[in-house]
Amino acid sequence: AQSVTQLDSHVSVSEGTPVLLRCNYSSSYSPSLFWYVQHPNKGLQLLLKYTSAATLVKGINGFEAEFKKSETSFHLTKPSAHMSDAAEYFCVVSDPGTGGFKTIFGAGTRLFVKA
Amino acid sequence: DAGVIQSPRHEVTEMGQEVTLRCKPISGHNSLFWYRQTMMRGLELLIYFNNNVPIDDSGMPEDRFSAKMPNASFSTLKIQPSEPRDSAVYFCASSFRTGTSGANVLTFGAGSRLTVL
Repeated sequence: AQSVTQLDSHVSVSEGTPVLLRCNYSSSYSPSLFWYVQHPNKGLQLLLKYTSAATLVKGINGFEAEFKKSETSFHLTKPSAHMSDAAEYFCVVSDPGTGGFKTIFGAGTRLFVKA
Repeated sequence: DAGVIQSPRHEVTEMGQEVTLRCKPISGHNSLFWYRQTMMRGLELLIYFNNNVPIDDSGMPEDRFSAKMPNASFSTLKIQPSEPRDSAVYFCASSFRTGTSGANVLTFGAGSRLTVL
């Protein structure tokens, strides 16, 4: 079975400092992995996706993530946090056993950005 | 495209009442997903459809929950009778899938916040 574990429920950074949100996955197959962001009282928006092409994936708003098979990790990073980055972030794995349909969300990491 | 459209955005009802949530997916998308989000359980996949056919409803919590997709542009999630523990935000998402390869990128609606008193 596929699963994702987000290692931190909350992360707090100062504006202008780097962001690191950690995610480990479990998959018997080559997974598709995603990061989604949810701003307060909003729906979820795709930040970036990994689908077995380049291991370093660039997304919107300056975010990127690196797929590391040896570590089964897909951590999300951004060099410099902005106040508008404050939101909840979800690491997501797509279950290849279901043809990629079944999409499983991590518990989420809430990012706080201090001025 | 206006994106995935959900209605109502907010619903407050009393225990025992029937609740119907509606979703209009993005035109041209052939897969539709219903999720429930709560503080305690996070985001849970309830059911998903492909080409209007339910594929996996194993996430539907009880027989009180049912979902239909009568055509490619409309889906409903019904709870009858509703209970306070059904209070949550319900999200609909859609995607376009051809075959079983490639990433399943979901586009989410804004959600329907349900409160059952």
